[in-house]
Amino acid sequence: AQSVSQHNHHVILSEAASLELGCNYSYGGTVNLFWYVQYPGQHLQLLLKYFSGDPLVKGIKGFEAEFIKSKFSFNLRKPSVQWSDTAEYFCAVTKRGSQGNLIFGKGTKLSVKP
Amino acid sequence: ETGVTQTPRHLVMGMTNKKSLKCEQHLGHNAMYWYKQSAKKPLELMFVYSLEERVENNSVPSRFSPECPNSSHLFLHLHTLQPEDSALYLCASSLALSGSGYEQFFGPGTRLTVL
Repeated sequence: AQSVSQHNHHVILSEAASLELGCNYSYGGTVNLFWYVQYPGQHLQLLLKYFSGDPLVKGIKGFEAEFIKSKFSFNLRKPSVQWSDTAEYFCAVTKRGSQGNLIFGKGTKLSVKP
Repeated sequence: ETGVTQTPRHLVMGMTNKKSLKCEQHLGHNAMYWYKQSAKKPLELMFVYSLEERVENNSVPSRFSPECPNSSHLFLHLHTLQPEDSALYLCASSLALSGSGYEQFFGPGTRLTVL
């Protein structure tokens, strides 16, 4: 069965530090990849997605993610975090052409200290 | 009202009660989803509807019964629930099924507590 692993449960950084959150998935076929973010008290919202083309994807608020097919990875990065990036981040995968079964990781909670 | 809305936002029910969760999307989407979010577990997809037809049912107990009367509304009918069903229930919608790369838009969720 498909699964998504997010390696860090809780990451604590100071402002201006660089961020990388790991995401690995288990499915061997063609996939669509997503990062969602949930700010405190808010809905889940899309940060960025990969469907095809350039494996380096840029999203909102300065986030980017790189799809490395050989490593089954889709790590999220930001060069300099801000206090407002404090949130929970979820990686999700769906099989290309599937009915829409979006498989989520457990999430990584990011706390940024001012 | 824009986006995906869910009512009620909080619900407390006994194990013998029958209640319903409502989801409405104002985005003109054709696919809608129910998820369960429990503490320390990944979001679990429960049901998928496309053009008002159920296309996915991930082995969900029959005490959860979905209904999609039209492309804008999705219900989750609850009866004889168990305390372990206490969780945040999220509704989402997408223009078409996410297997085609369409992102899902989520509602705020209904926090359900089963006593």
